[in-house]
Amino acid sequence: DGGITQSPKYLFRKEGQNVTLSCEQNLNHDAMYWYRQDPGQGLRLIYYSQIVNDFQKGDIAEGYSVSREKKESFPLTVTSAQKNPTAFYLCASTPAGGHGNYGYTFGSGTRLTVV
Amino acid sequence: AQSVTQLGSHVSVSEGALVLLRCNYSSSVPPYLFWYVQYPNQGLQLLLKYTTGATLVKGINGFEAEFKKSETSFHLTKPSAHMSDAAEYFCAVSVSSSGGYQKVTFGTGTKLQVIP
Repeated sequence: DGGITQSPKYLFRKEGQNVTLSCEQNLNHDAMYWYRQDPGQGLRLIYYSQIVNDFQKGDIAEGYSVSREKKESFPLTVTSAQKNPTAFYLCASTPAGGHGNYGYTFGSGTRLTVV
Repeated sequence: AQSVTQLGSHVSVSEGALVLLRCNYSSSVPPYLFWYVQYPNQGLQLLLKYTTGATLVKGINGFEAEFKKSETSFHLTKPSAHMSDAAEYFCAVSVSSSGGYQKVTFGTGTKLQVIP
C-alpha cells in the first residue's frame, strides 16, 4: 500500500548535535512538507517542496534544513541552531494540485527529545 | 491572512451521544476547509473536506460537517459517539497564495473524550 514512512519513530538528541529525520513516500506525490507539532499549538510549517530540487521556507524554518534530491524523499535536519527542538515532527505530501484539492497525507511522525 | 479558531480544547461526550466540535475561520478569499483526526503518537488523517459545491460534506467514520459562510463556521458532527472516536481533531483552512502554493492554517485542536 502507498503511504509515507517516517523514521525513526523516536529520536534523542544531545545538546549541540545535528540530527536528520527521514521521510519517504511511494504515492508519487509532487509536493512534500514538514510540520512541527507542540502541545496546544497546532501544526506549524517548517519547510515545503513542490518539486524536486526546490524547497521553500515555512513559518518556522530557523534551525532546520532540508533537501529534495529525489521525488520520494524529503529529509529534515534539525541543527544545533534550533534551540528548542523537542517536539513531534510530521511529514506530509500532496499531489501536484496541492492541499486545497486533496488535503494532506501524513506520515506517522517522529518524536524528537533533547537529552 | 487566514485564521482558524477551535472552541474548546477538550470536549467530553457519553458513548452514543451527539458529537459537536466547533470550528470558525476567517479568510479574505473563499477558503477550502478540512477536518483531520489524530490518534496518540500518530500522524493526522483526513476526515473530510469542503472545496466547492454542497455545503454539507460527509466524511469517514460517520462524521459530517457543514460549511456556513454567513457564520464563517465549519463545525464537525457525528450523531452517535463511539469509544473509538476518542482522539484529537484539527480544523484547517487552505487558501491560494503566490506561486500556486496553498497556505494551510491549522487550529489548535480539540481532544474528544468518550465516556462509557
